[in-house]
Formats: sequence, C-alpha cells, structure tokens
Amino acid sequence: EAGVAQSPRYKIIEKRQSVAFWCNPISGHATLYWYQQILGQGPKLLIQFQNNGVVDDSQLPKDRFSAERLKGVDSTLKIQPAKLEDSAVYLCASRDGGGRAKNIQYFGAGTRLSVL
Amino acid sequence: QQQVKQSPQSLIVQKGGISIINCAYENTAFDYFPWYQQFPGKGPALLIAIRPDVSEKKEGRFTISFNKSAKQFSLHIMDSQPGDSATYFCAAVTSGTYKYIFGTGTRLKVLA
Repeated sequence: EAGVAQSPRYKIIEKRQSVAFWCNPISGHATLYWYQQILGQGPKLLIQFQNNGVVDDSQLPKDRFSAERLKGVDSTLKIQPAKLEDSAVYLCASRDGGGRAKNIQYFGAGTRLSVL
Repeated sequence: QQQVKQSPQSLIVQKGGISIINCAYENTAFDYFPWYQQFPGKGPALLIAIRPDVSEKKEGRFTISFNKSAKQFSLHIMDSQPGDSATYFCAAVTSGTYKYIFGTGTRLKVLA
C-alpha cells in the first residue's frame, strides 16, 4: 500500500510570495489533515477534511492560508502572501476511518518551507 | 485544556539503557493516546498507542504506562539502541472528532 505522498519536498520563497503544497492521501482514506510543524515543536493542525468537506479549520489563518480537497482525494494547501513566520514543515496525514485502524493517522514526509 | 504537556525536551541515554518520556493532559474527553516516532526528514510514524481502559501496553521494547487518575502517560524504551535516536511525540485524541493534539516532542539520542 502506497503511503501519503507530498510535493514538493522543499520550497524556498521570499516573503509576500505565494506557494502551494500538494498531498495525495492513502487510497480510500476519507479523512485528510494538514499540519504545520515549526522547528522544535509538535505538529499543529491547520485543517481537517472529511471527503471534500471541511470538518475543522479553526486554526487556519484564513487571511493568508487556504486549502481545498476537490473530489475528496488530493488536496492543496496555499499560502498567499507568505510571511517569515510561515517557515515550517507542512505535513499531510490521512486516516481510514473504519475498523481497528480508525484512530491512526498516516503522515507524509512533509514539505519544508523556508520564507526569506 | 486542549494542551498535552511533554517532557523532557531532550534526552541522552547510553546504549542498553531505559529511555522514559512523559506526557500529561487535562481534557478527560481524550480516549486514545498514541506515540509517534519521527526521524529527520521524515513524517511522524505511529509507534504504539493505548486506550484509557488499560494501564499498560507493551510491544517489543516499547511500553506505554497509563495513569488515568493522574491524567499522565509515559513511553518506556527498554534496551535503547542508537537506531532509536529520533524525536518522539505523544498525542491525545478524542474518538468523536479524531483530532490529534500533539505534545511538543522529545529529542532522544542514544549513545553507542
């Protein structure tokens, strides 16, 4: 079974530029999460999707961050315009939602963003 | 109330020793407590998890101890190996929302 795929792996941009990250979850996983992991900290949830609907985006800075999950599969996370404090690793995770593994989130390798 | 406090921030252990990482929570609605292991450049991967109806769960060299009354849980790594050197995160989950609240992480280094 293929894991959660994310791209790009690294991105360097200047402040005020825009950037987009892509995530392809494990096949059949209905729930998809985007996390922000700042160096030395634990992952912080940005947004949670159930199929193509948003379940929780309470910690998403909506003035600059946006995310979508069209057709309930792939997802993109966009930052526009980026700020220096957005430098972090952006992790995507997915969850099956059924059976014994319903609580388990599977993470991608992340996209490391550096804002200069 | 949604926080999970994790300690220590970093830990150095000799090969063969026991590594112990602690977490504490406040929200009694949490009912699933996983530990994740993260190597540099990789995403977190599930290591072991426990539900509050048991006090201990063991898988190989990894053991979770759970104290429901104290609202604390800990990860014990027996016979620590250099390959265990990684960052470990505890988390607390409410099954209804399946929302993870992560601790701040513990960077473990096992000396050869």
